[in-house]
Amino acid sequence: DTGVSQDPRHKITKRGQNVTFRCDPISEHNRLYWYRQTLGQGPEFLTYFQNEAQLEKSRLLSDRFSAERPKGSFSTLEIQRTEQGDSAMYLCASSLLQAITQYFGPGTRLTVL
Amino acid sequence: AQSVTQLDSHVSVSEGTPVLLRCNYSSSYSPSLFWYVQHPNKGLQLLLKYTSAATLVKGINGFEAEFKKSETSFHLTKPSAHMSDAAEYFCVVSDDYGQNFVFGPGTRLSVLP
Repeated sequence: DTGVSQDPRHKITKRGQNVTFRCDPISEHNRLYWYRQTLGQGPEFLTYFQNEAQLEKSRLLSDRFSAERPKGSFSTLEIQRTEQGDSAMYLCASSLLQAITQYFGPGTRLTVL
Repeated sequence: AQSVTQLDSHVSVSEGTPVLLRCNYSSSYSPSLFWYVQHPNKGLQLLLKYTSAATLVKGINGFEAEFKKSETSFHLTKPSAHMSDAAEYFCVVSDDYGQNFVFGPGTRLSVLP
């Protein structure tokens, strides 16, 4: 079963460092989404791609955050100059262009010390 | 704008008794609605979805939900709780294109032996 995969599953970093997360969607899925989930809250939308085009970005995505999906397959989410407030679970999801159901990966838990 | 309210942050039931998790939504157009479940250290798993077909939707693991437009509700039910149902449950509202997923804050379900 080749679902959505994310790497790493856990990341601990010091404040001010840069981190990068990877998401591999289900292979035929055109759309890819990033969400952030803090403790005790539901996931919040960050950004989404349709193929390689980044079509929407949330206001939560400050200029320290950047996401790419260079060939319309895997995606990376980079956070520069991490802050303690960035500590959260970062979730990736994918879907088919003509379908609305999103399938989620296991997430990357980021802890900023 | 869309929003989701999950009326209970925590629900506790005894094994073998019915489960009711409440969800109300707000949407300026005909919404699609979903319930996802999140077990500890696991990804979000789709339980069921409503996409303007039958108002009573059956999902996996014996769960079902009823869409009531007049009450703007999409409550999740299960006739008999199992210990394995203990998890966090999220109600989600989306537009027709699946691009705009808005999650509720979640309801933690505890199942007592």
